Amino acid sequence: AQSVTQPDIHITVSEGASLELRCNYSYGATPYLFWYVQSPGQGLQLLLKYFSGDTLVQGIKGFEAEFKRSQSSFNLRKPSVHWSDAAEYFCAVGRSGGSYIPTFGRGTSLIVHP
Amino acid sequence: EAQVTQNPRYLITVTGKKLTVTCSQNMNHEYMSWYRQDPGLGLRQIYYSMNVEVTDKGDVPEGYKVSRKEKRNFPLILESPSPNQTSLYFCASRPGTGDGYTFGSGTRLTVV
Repeated sequence: AQSVTQPDIHITVSEGASLELRCNYSYGATPYLFWYVQSPGQGLQLLLKYFSGDTLVQGIKGFEAEFKRSQSSFNLRKPSVHWSDAAEYFCAVGRSGGSYIPTFGRGTSLIVHP
Repeated sequence: EAQVTQNPRYLITVTGKKLTVTCSQNMNHEYMSWYRQDPGLGLRQIYYSMNVEVTDKGDVPEGYKVSRKEKRNFPLILESPSPNQTSLYFCASRPGTGDGYTFGSGTRLTVV
C-alpha cells in the first residue's frame, strides 16, 4: 500500500525568505505525486503534479517541486514567500489499481512572519 | 465557472437523524470522491466513484453511503449520524486517472 509522510507539522518563515516543504512517499512503482494548498476556510487547490518527464515541476503561485526517486521525495519549494502563502499544504500520492486514487499526507501548516 | 458545489456549508444535527450532503460538478469529470478532514489526521477518503453507478469504499467508509446515478452528482448519505462523524467534509472531482482533483468548499458537520 502506498503512503505519504510530511515530516513537518508546522513551518515558520519570514516574508521574502525561501521555503521548502518536505514530502516522502512509499510506493513500489512510479507514483503520481501532487501538492495542494488549503487556505483558511476553503477547499484544497491543486498547486502542481508529477508523473513522468522532467523531475522539476513548475506549478501555480510561483511554486515548484522536485521529484527525487532515490530519496522517495517530492519536496515543494518557493524562492520568496509572501504573506498570502500562509496556509496548509498537502502532499498526495496516487496509487495504482486502475484508478490512481490519491492518498494524502497529514499536511504542513505554513506560518509567515512579516 | 468550473466548480464543485457542496451543500450545505454548515450543518448541525442530532444523533440518528438521517442527512444528505449534496455534491455537484459541472466539468463532466469521470471521478468523484468524498473526503473527511480531521485535525492531525489530514484527509481520509470515504468513498469514490469512477463513473455512473460505479462506486467503491475508501479508507473510512463505515457509517456512510453514496450513490452516483448521474455523472454530475455524488451525494453523501449518513443514515444514522453519530458524534464521531463530526468533521469537515470535502467532495472532489477529476477528469481521469492521474489528474489532480478540484475540491468543493467543504461542509462542516456537527453531530450532537
